[in-house]
Amino acid sequence: KQEVTQIPAALSVPEGENLVLNCSFTDSAIYNLQWFRQDPGKGLTSLLLIQSSQREQTSGRLNASLDKSSGRSTLYIAASQPGDSATYLCAVDRNNRKLIWGLGTSLAVNP
Amino acid sequence: EAGVTQFPSHSVIEKGQTVTLRCDPISGHDNLYWYRRVMGKEIKFLLHFVKESKQDESGMPNNRFLAERTGGTYSTLKVQPAELEDSGVYFCASSQLGQGSGNTIYFGEGSWLTVV
Repeated sequence: KQEVTQIPAALSVPEGENLVLNCSFTDSAIYNLQWFRQDPGKGLTSLLLIQSSQREQTSGRLNASLDKSSGRSTLYIAASQPGDSATYLCAVDRNNRKLIWGLGTSLAVNP
Repeated sequence: EAGVTQFPSHSVIEKGQTVTLRCDPISGHDNLYWYRRVMGKEIKFLLHFVKESKQDESGMPNNRFLAERTGGTYSTLKVQPAELEDSGVYFCASSQLGQGSGNTIYFGEGSWLTVV
């Protein structure tokens, strides 16, 4: 049974810091992995999608890596800003379109 | 282009009442999904439509939940009768069929349901 774990559960950093959010999954037979962002009271915004054959994806200050064999993904945020404050969730897809989710990391970037 | 839209955004109902949630996917998206997040728990898959057909409804909690997708366009999720444990956020999502960028799943802002 696939389980997704995100560490840390919460993170508070000063503005400008580079930071890493971690996601691990128990079954390496995944099709892709997505990172999402959720602002309080809002919906889910897809940030990056990494196919199982890929090692990383980049979008602006965000970089997500994937190591299928070890069951890990990291989301790297460079030069963090207060606007990055949100909950970050990772979800894995085993090609059956049923995303399996972690509980998320709640990030606070302080001015 | 409009994103995935959900209605109502918030709903408070009494135990035993009926609530119907609606989702309008992105135009042209044949895949439509329902997910739910109960407070303190991870988001869980409920079901998946491809056009008007239920592809996978293995995540539906019980027979108090009924999902439909009329004509392969918008979808409704009815909870009847609602119980306290049904409280949570119900997310709808849609995606295109096929590979590549079509795999990205786009989510709505959720319907926040409180059963009292």
